[in-house]
Amino acid sequence: KAGVTQTPRYLIKTRGQQVTLSCSPISGHRSVSWYQQTPGQGLQFLFEYFSETQRNKGNFPGRFSGRQFSNSRSEMNVSTLELGDSALYLCASRTDPNTEAFFGQGTRLTVV
Amino acid sequence: AQSVTQLDSHVSVSEGTPVLLRCNYSSSYSPSLFWYVQHPNKGLQLLLKYTSAATLVKGINGFEAEFKKSETSFHLTKPSAHMSDAAEYFCVVSNDNTDKLIFGTGTRLQVFP
Repeated sequence: KAGVTQTPRYLIKTRGQQVTLSCSPISGHRSVSWYQQTPGQGLQFLFEYFSETQRNKGNFPGRFSGRQFSNSRSEMNVSTLELGDSALYLCASRTDPNTEAFFGQGTRLTVV
Repeated sequence: AQSVTQLDSHVSVSEGTPVLLRCNYSSSYSPSLFWYVQHPNKGLQLLLKYTSAATLVKGINGFEAEFKKSETSFHLTKPSAHMSDAAEYFCVVSNDNTDKLIFGTGTRLQVFP
């Protein structure tokens, strides 16, 4: 069974640009969550989607948005990038929201 | 509100000696608790989970954790450390109402030969 796949693995963007990250969950998993990991703030929850609906949202500005498609694949978008958005962005999938999460390898975003 | 506290930011052990990574949680109800491991530049891998079945939970790679409600603890242990265990470990609780995963700040385990 394939794991959670995140693309791209690495990304370099310039301040002010926007970026879209992709996450393909494990087959059959309907819940996809996104996390931002930085050395200073640790792992912070961004949002969770379940069956194409946003179920939970963390405390991030509106520049961070996401969506989920009917095949459960999810995308995360960050607009007007800032230097502080440089981080490892992790995606996790679950069969249902009350089960354990399985994580992808992450996308390393560097904003210059 | 649920939270987890990992009591040590760094733990250093010699190869072949026991490992103890400490985690305390706060939760209104019977929590779901997890331990994850993250090797450098990798995603998180589930080590084990507690979901109100047996209080002693066995995980992968020889790790286990004991749920102690009276102490609100969920410490991770391994009898004998291996060099490949060097990584960051996260204790995680699932929020009762929203099922959001709440992560501890992590414990970096170093294993010396």
